[in-house]
Amino acid sequence: DIQLTQSPSFLSASVGDRVTITCRASQSISHYLAWYQQKPGKAPELLIYAASTLQGGVPSRFSGSGSGTEFTLTISSLQPEDFTTYYCQQLSGYPLTFGGGTKVEIK
Amino acid sequence: QVHLAESGGGVVQPGGSLRLSCAASGFNFRSYGMNWVRQAPGKGLEWLAFIRFDGSKNYYADSVKGRFTISRDNSENTLFLQMNSLRSEDTAVYYCAYDPLTVTSGLAYWGQGTLVIVSS
Repeated sequence: DIQLTQSPSFLSASVGDRVTITCRASQSISHYLAWYQQKPGKAPELLIYAASTLQGGVPSRFSGSGSGTEFTLTISSLQPEDFTTYYCQQLSGYPLTFGGGTKVEIK
Repeated sequence: QVHLAESGGGVVQPGGSLRLSCAASGFNFRSYGMNWVRQAPGKGLEWLAFIRFDGSKNYYADSVKGRFTISRDNSENTLFLQMNSLRSEDTAVYYCAYDPLTVTSGLAYWGQGTLVIVSS
């Protein structure tokens, strides 16, 4: 099975900061990586797919990059609504797997 | 618009069974593969199972293989998850979700989730 390691698990930042979250795969997954945002009590929302393609309706301050085994999610300027939890997911092969999550907190 | 509505959650004793349903509307259900994902209280997301659009192929996470069965009724636009031999660690919110582009693009649509509690 493909393991995904997200880092950091927790991140403290301020409104307006640029933040980067990393997701590392245990083997190459090409570009088959998605990023999700999840707010408390809600279902996850797809932010980015195919490593770098922004899902429709997602603000342009979110961006993704990477291929193979290392990927990043960048938020260029944190907004108040961005302080929540983010997950990566690999869709290269079954079983699909998620990273452990990154909680972005207000500093 | 796309709507996914899970139901069937509740409290069940360890070793018991439960059948979850996911009613789909707003898209051509019979053309898309479907997934189940769960989230234990305070924990991360765990992908559980996938079924092809025509039901011809299924995949499972190791944690539920042999205990859970994914199925679908395309005539009723409904996805199911039969859960047997339930354990306390199966306590979670269960979501159905699907990828409207390809099976490798990401889960763009999710239901609201249904809570399963395994407890004596």
